[in-house]
Amino acid sequence: GQQLNQSPQSMFIQEGEDVSMNCTSSSIFNTWLWYKQDPGEGPVLLIALYKAGELTSNGRLTAQFGITRKDSFLNISASIPSDVGIYFCAGLWSGGYQKVTFGTGTKLQVIP
Amino acid sequence: EAQVTQNPRYLITVTGKKLTVTCSQNMNHEYMSWYRQDPGLGLRQIYYSMNVEVTDKGDVPEGYKVSRKEKRNFPLILESPSPNQTSLYFCASSSPYNEQFFGPGTRLTVL
Repeated sequence: GQQLNQSPQSMFIQEGEDVSMNCTSSSIFNTWLWYKQDPGEGPVLLIALYKAGELTSNGRLTAQFGITRKDSFLNISASIPSDVGIYFCAGLWSGGYQKVTFGTGTKLQVIP
Repeated sequence: EAQVTQNPRYLITVTGKKLTVTCSQNMNHEYMSWYRQDPGLGLRQIYYSMNVEVTDKGDVPEGYKVSRKEKRNFPLILESPSPNQTSLYFCASSSPYNEQFFGPGTRLTVL
């Protein structure tokens, strides 16, 4: 199946810093989703994007649906220790069916 | 409370011994799916279901079966498990707006 390239794979940042991660695809999607996964738990939805060019915020998180529909990015501002976890992007094409493809994840470590 | 539940949470079994992992959601969602998560490979979709009696293959369906006889339940069946199916499995259900809600996961080890 198709894959999403997510980068960076991992990052260490200082508390208070801003973080940026992105996903790119060889195919277009009509929905982009961003998730966070804590150890031993299932992914939790952070932000959903439904339109090319859309910019959506959820507290300190901001995500954008790329204009080409083949990419998306997630920014976290003023990171805090509880931001630690693995962040996944997911692309979805729901033209009569829902097949979801996930990125390989970005592992975020925040140094207090 | 809106949730997706999976059972069992942990399972150790042996090659060839049929097993079923159950999944249930209480949100009346039509769409449900199963994923496996492996280090370095992220989440890969095994099967999904658009509604009762409607299922389709995801990216890695080999060695798995599913059924959707009622809206709330979507069990994953491994008829003859093999060691390469050792993984962390997640069930998810999706709202009409494509927001997927995941279960807590089932860690399966096949010896």
